[in-house]
Amino acid sequence: EDQVTQSPEALRLQEGESSSLNCSYTVSGLRGLFWYRQDPGKGPEFLFTLYSAGEEKEKERLKATLTKKESFLHITAPKPEDSATYLCAVGAYGSSNTGKLIFGQGTTLQVKP
Amino acid sequence: DGGITQSPKYLFRKEGQNVTLSCEQNLNHDAMYWYRQDPGQGLRLIYYSQIVNDFQKGDIAEGYSVSREKKESFPLTVTSAQKNPTAFYLCASSRTPWGELFFGEGSRLTVL
Repeated sequence: EDQVTQSPEALRLQEGESSSLNCSYTVSGLRGLFWYRQDPGKGPEFLFTLYSAGEEKEKERLKATLTKKESFLHITAPKPEDSATYLCAVGAYGSSNTGKLIFGQGTTLQVKP
Repeated sequence: DGGITQSPKYLFRKEGQNVTLSCEQNLNHDAMYWYRQDPGQGLRLIYYSQIVNDFQKGDIAEGYSVSREKKESFPLTVTSAQKNPTAFYLCASSRTPWGELFFGEGSRLTVL
């Protein structure tokens, strides 16, 4: 069964304390892995798409990497405004997953000043 | 500015009532989606549509219905058959079925 698992569920950091969020996936064939940021009471906002192992993408203090089994979202020197829930989603090949993404449960990040 | 508009933002429903959530996009995207979000759970797909006048059930379609009569619009009806409708509902669209999703601001439905 196709599955996406994010860890940890919650992460509390001090401002400037770098860390990583994990997204592990089990799918029959990866079409793409997506990272989103979601603020409370809002819709998710797209961050990155990764398509193949070894690919990396960066945006400000965020860097996403991809292996054959997992993706990491690295946060360098975070600021309080980086506090949010980060969602990982995977698009998979196969007739049962045509046009659908499988979402993880999310990691809620809190950055304290 | 292009985007997705969901309305209403907050909705209260009495048990036994049907309610319809609106979703309109001006991004000219072919694919549109409805997700449900509950605390501690990932987004779960209710229905999706890849083209006008066609839509498919997602993982949790029971108790919901949709229509796609126009490219820009994909309304979701929460029927009285949905046993636990209190949730945060998100509408999304994408240029292609495998492209990144653009989400609306969400509609929070509470059953009284």
